[in-house]
Amino acid sequence: AQTVTQSQPEMSVQEAETVTLSCTYDTSESDYYLFWYKQPPSRQMILVIRQEAYKQQNATENRFSVNFQKAAKSFSLKISDSQLGDAAMYFCAYRSPSYGNKLVFGAGTILRVKS
Amino acid sequence: GAVVSQHPSWVICKSGTSVKIECRSLDFQATTMFWYRQFPKQSLMLMATSNEGSKATYEQGVEKDKFLINHASLTLSTLTVTSAHPEDSSFYICSAQLIPGAHLGGTYNEQFFGPGTRLTVL
Repeated sequence: AQTVTQSQPEMSVQEAETVTLSCTYDTSESDYYLFWYKQPPSRQMILVIRQEAYKQQNATENRFSVNFQKAAKSFSLKISDSQLGDAAMYFCAYRSPSYGNKLVFGAGTILRVKS
Repeated sequence: GAVVSQHPSWVICKSGTSVKIECRSLDFQATTMFWYRQFPKQSLMLMATSNEGSKATYEQGVEKDKFLINHASLTLSTLTVTSAHPEDSSFYICSAQLIPGAHLGGTYNEQFFGPGTRLTVL
């Protein structure tokens, strides 16, 4: 079964600093996608970044980038120049066509941004 | 584009009554929608996969007779919590899967989330 593990229940970062959120996953599939979602206090799920497993290049979206280590099954999120609006719960998620495209979420990491 | 709505955004009901939650894709068609349940400060737990024109597929441990799902059209799925009890109180979230090559393009069946519905059962 596919599992996603986020080992950091909470993280803090100073405004303008950089923070990295960790995620590991377990799968025997070769075709899959990995995601980071942000859930602010409004609880609306927002897609931050996505990575296709077949792509070696790490995905980036403005201040957000990932470190995708396929062999190690690791998928960390780096937030640069942290802003107060980045404070939220962050979920790592996995999806595979062979698993019906169902999203498997990690437990989440609460990110606090200090001013 | 790619907006998913849920109605109601919050609902309070008495124990024993039934509550219907709607999930609509406003500007795209979705053959598949997903229903999640989220307790405070916890992750999203997939309850079921809703397929247009066919029966929903429920995850292990989810009571089919308690959580009725109907995907009547390509833009609407409903979740009905029957005979609700206080332990059913939770935040329910739906997501709609974009059809590849449809209105908004995309090739990997991107999913878009609704804003969620907070259910409180007294």
